[in-house]
Amino acid sequence: TQLLEQSPQFLSIQEGENLTVYCNSSSVFSSLQWYRQEPGEGPVLLVTVVTGGEVKKLKRLTFQFGDARKDSSLHITAAQPGDTGLYLCAGTNSNDYKLSFGAGTTVTVRA
Amino acid sequence: DAGVIQSPRHEVTEMGQEVTLRCKPISGHNSLFWYRQTMMRGLELLIYFNNNVPIDDSGMPEDRFSAKMPNASFSTLKIQPSEPRDSAVYFCASLTWVAGGKPSEQYFGPGTRLTVT
Repeated sequence: TQLLEQSPQFLSIQEGENLTVYCNSSSVFSSLQWYRQEPGEGPVLLVTVVTGGEVKKLKRLTFQFGDARKDSSLHITAAQPGDTGLYLCAGTNSNDYKLSFGAGTTVTVRA
Repeated sequence: DAGVIQSPRHEVTEMGQEVTLRCKPISGHNSLFWYRQTMMRGLELLIYFNNNVPIDDSGMPEDRFSAKMPNASFSTLKIQPSEPRDSAVYFCASLTWVAGGKPSEQYFGPGTRLTVT
């Protein structure tokens, strides 16, 4: 059983469309991270959110941490083929730096 | 910086054989993590070391798995004997500690794809 549930599992959209990926948990996390993983490579950190209600923007990517620090979302505006990849959320608690990963959302952006 | 280095990148072995995966963390990083990624279970933490000492091995599946970190620049994950259900991609990651006693982000290696037939 995963602590973090991601939805949807798969997402296929046309270039230029918007998309949102969700990450939900019944547990409270001190921080939550989003990673992108491309085939044959390890995950690469995109952002860390630590404050409930926090919103961070990274170019066309917008990340939000829920007020209760149990959920998060990743929104991509005007998606491009280069955004294709596996998006993973991971939570950590203040007691240690172990990461608990969600199962991931596979995003495919068609040209 | 070369990043986290893992070897081999691909390993195919027969059931019952011993498998050793290797990791070189980023120079200066003092925490190292071993993960396993499968379609069914996603990315799971197996064990992590801090200053070469194993801190938490609760994710190690069973006694067939063992990990060592003899020095700050090298770690191994060994499976003996290997079984088909061990087939997965195994990642190593490392981090350092920044000002204020906070951990940096984890930097992942490219992974080792293990296939046990």
